[in-house]
Amino acid sequence: DVKVTQSSRYLVKRTGEKVFLECVQDMDHENMFWYRQDPGLGLRLIYFSYDVKMKEKGDIPEGYSVSREKKERFSLILESASTNQTSMYLCASSLWTGDGYTFGSGTRLTVV
Amino acid sequence: AQSVTQLDSHVSVSEGTPVLLRCNYSSSYSPSLFWYVQHPNKGLQLLLKYTSAATLVKGINGFEAEFKKSETSFHLTKPSAHMSDAAEYFCVVSFSSNTGKLIFGQGTTLQVKP
Repeated sequence: DVKVTQSSRYLVKRTGEKVFLECVQDMDHENMFWYRQDPGLGLRLIYFSYDVKMKEKGDIPEGYSVSREKKERFSLILESASTNQTSMYLCASSLWTGDGYTFGSGTRLTVV
Repeated sequence: AQSVTQLDSHVSVSEGTPVLLRCNYSSSYSPSLFWYVQHPNKGLQLLLKYTSAATLVKGINGFEAEFKKSETSFHLTKPSAHMSDAAEYFCVVSFSSNTGKLIFGQGTTLQVKP
């Protein structure tokens, strides 16, 4: 089974800190995605990547950046954390769209 | 515009009774369709997928869904609900095999009463 591993389950950070959320997949998937999930707003796509060193903005990229130096790892970076970035962050990967996504367990980030 | 709509934000059933979670999509293309389940504080797990093969798709944990092109629907069903089915369910659509992007419904919370 494909595994998508997010490094932290729960994270508490201070306003203004630079925050790194790490995601690793172990099945050589080309595509990787970062979503945030908020009550009443559903899942919103932040960034995605089709290949190493390649990135595309999703629907809500403001305040975020990403890094994909290796195929298996896709990092989400909050340049200067703010309280409105408190959320559940979900990483996903896929070989191709018809297979659907495999999701990680999520990182619940609280910015205080 | 391409979209996906889950018709019920909350569904409540008694244990042992059938489950129906409704999903409609809007698109001029042939979609790939998925249902995911999310238990509290967990990631999303794929229940089943439709990718232009059989229109009746069987998934895990006794769930199944039927693709009806004429009705642009992909409703999720289960003959008999179990307490462990209580979770949030997402209908998800992909309208292009090239982009890799999925469009998520807003989710339906399934409550199962003893």
